[in-house]
Amino acid sequence: KAGVTQTPRYLIKTRGQQVTLSCSPISGHRSVSWYQQTPGQGLQFLFEYFSETQRNKGNFPGRFSGRQFSNSRSEMNVSTLELGDSALYLCASSLEPGNNSPLHFGNGTRLTVT
Amino acid sequence: GDSVTQMEGPVTLSEEAFLTINCTYTATGYPSLFWYVQYPGEGLQLLLKATKADDKGSNKGFEATYRKETTSFHLEKGSVQVSDSAVYFCALVLNTGGFKTIFGAGTRLFVKA
Repeated sequence: KAGVTQTPRYLIKTRGQQVTLSCSPISGHRSVSWYQQTPGQGLQFLFEYFSETQRNKGNFPGRFSGRQFSNSRSEMNVSTLELGDSALYLCASSLEPGNNSPLHFGNGTRLTVT
Repeated sequence: GDSVTQMEGPVTLSEEAFLTINCTYTATGYPSLFWYVQYPGEGLQLLLKATKADDKGSNKGFEATYRKETTSFHLEKGSVQVSDSAVYFCALVLNTGGFKTIFGAGTRLFVKA
């Protein structure tokens, strides 16, 4: 069974640009969540999607947005990039939302903003 | 607000030493608690979990007990191996209308042969 796939693995952008990251969950998993990982802040929750609906959102500005498609694949978009957006962005999938469905993580997309 | 606090690393131990990584949490309601591990060059993966008070999660020789009275979920292993070198993350899951996972900062463990 293929794991969670995130593309691209690495991305370099300049300030002011926008970026779209993609996540394909494990087959059969319907819940996808996104996290930002930085050395200073650790893992910060961005959003959670289930059945194409955003169910929960973390404390990030509106420049961060996402969506989920009918096949459960998800994309995350960051507009008007800032230097502080440089981070590892992790996607995780689970069978369904809930505290009995552990998260399965992808290897992440490393975004560098210059 | 809701949060998870882990002991700062790095933690350096010799092989076969006893390991404890402390984790405490602050949460409204009754969260489920998890430990995730990130081995070098790999993604995070679930190590163990506990969904209610006094539950003990265990896997690969690691154990953690959900202590509601002390709001803690400390990770322990009786005899660590070099292959246990990794970053360990304590996390809680809350139902706030939708489910949200909150992670601790992570604790890096180095095990020397």
